[in-house]
Amino acid sequence: DAGVIQSPRHEVTEMGQEVTLRCKPISGHDYLFWYRQTMMRGLELLIYFNNNVPIDDSGMPEDRFSAKMPNASFSTLKIQPSEPRDSAVYFCASSFSVVTRWSGANVLTFGAGSRLTVL
Amino acid sequence: AQKITQTQPGMFVQEKEAVTLDCTYDTSDPSYGLFWYKQPSSGEMIFLIYQGSYDQQNATEGRYSLNFQKARKSANLVISASQLGDSAMYFCAMREGRGFKTIFGAGTRLFVKA
Repeated sequence: DAGVIQSPRHEVTEMGQEVTLRCKPISGHDYLFWYRQTMMRGLELLIYFNNNVPIDDSGMPEDRFSAKMPNASFSTLKIQPSEPRDSAVYFCASSFSVVTRWSGANVLTFGAGSRLTVL
Repeated sequence: AQKITQTQPGMFVQEKEAVTLDCTYDTSDPSYGLFWYKQPSSGEMIFLIYQGSYDQQNATEGRYSLNFQKARKSANLVISASQLGDSAMYFCAMREGRGFKTIFGAGTRLFVKA
């Protein structure tokens, strides 16, 4: 498996533009997480999905942010309109859930991240 | 509410010595998992070690061990025989049994000196 794949790796855009970040999780993983990393705020959980359904979006900063998971192999994080304070590295991570017992199989596998710069 | 605390923003260790990175957590869920990740300067997140709340023994993975003290709600990472390549940011994370929400601490930057 190629791991979690994120695109684009780097995005530079101007304030007010729409930004779409994409993520392909590992096949078979049923959880998908979106995190944002900044120097000031560290790694923040934005939203996560289970079986394509959003479970908790309480970390989404404001209405400018939206996330979707139309199927098990694809998710998007959209920012519209973008602002300079949205500049960060956005990570997608996926995980397999073991229903019967806890195990190391619950480990999150991260993508390489998408570095967003909003000018 | 679920919470992870790493109180050491930065740590220095001499090469070949052991170092302990602190992590405390808080949760009302009796079922949870604790993780440590390494983030080198290249930026990727690398899984190091995992501890389940019901595990009786401390987890070990090569030079990494997790000092799990459930009553104190601490999950410290111990790196033995530090190497220059261990210089990186280290994150503690917790996943609750209910809902599998996974949050991270602020991280500790480790510097290994030659």
